[in-house]
Amino acid sequence: GAVVSQHPSWVICKSGTSVKIECRSLDFQATTMFWYRQFPKQSLMLMATSNEGSKATYEQGVEKDKFLINHASLTLSTLTVTSAHPEDSSFYICSARDLNTGNTEAFFGQGTRLTVV
Amino acid sequence: GENVEQHPSTLSVQEGDSAVIKCTYSDSASNYFPWYKQELGKGPQLIIDIRSNVGEKKDQRIAVTLNKTAKHFSLHITETQPEDSAVYFCAASASFQKLVFGTGTRLLVSP
Repeated sequence: GAVVSQHPSWVICKSGTSVKIECRSLDFQATTMFWYRQFPKQSLMLMATSNEGSKATYEQGVEKDKFLINHASLTLSTLTVTSAHPEDSSFYICSARDLNTGNTEAFFGQGTRLTVV
Repeated sequence: GENVEQHPSTLSVQEGDSAVIKCTYSDSASNYFPWYKQELGKGPQLIIDIRSNVGEKKDQRIAVTLNKTAKHFSLHITETQPEDSAVYFCAASASFQKLVFGTGTRLLVSP
């Protein structure tokens, strides 16, 4: 299957700083990328959907000014957690789809564990 | 919007037994139903999926059934092995739309 690479796999940052997470589709063009957050022993909760070259669509309750998403190319999307606080500590996962092929399958990255201290 | 319920939350079986996980969905527009396996500290991996024009799909020890009328679908794992131990998530989506995940089932296969 297609490969989605997420970087870094884990990061520790100080409260008040910003952290950027990258999501790359390695062997296909990701027309749409999704960002999820997963707290321990819970399900994946969609944060936002981004289409290449346009603004992201955020789910209700997700602060767009805090979680900045950029999808500038067909192979790269970034999530920046601004002014991070301990409650932002979570497992962040991206997924990508190539809707141009009509393939409905979503390919997931390996996730990024963010710890804010 | 779509709501997906998943049961059971935990499932313990002996090696070689079968395991069944069930999900129900609310949006009749949903037409794509994937199942994911997630190991600790990793992203979800697709193990099988089914579209609404199909009632059943099988891939070796794994099968998925879909009942559109009742809006439920199930994952069946036969001849379970310890390496099947993980958290399994069902999901549902309408074409090209976002995936809505179930709450997850922690499967433990004991040798």
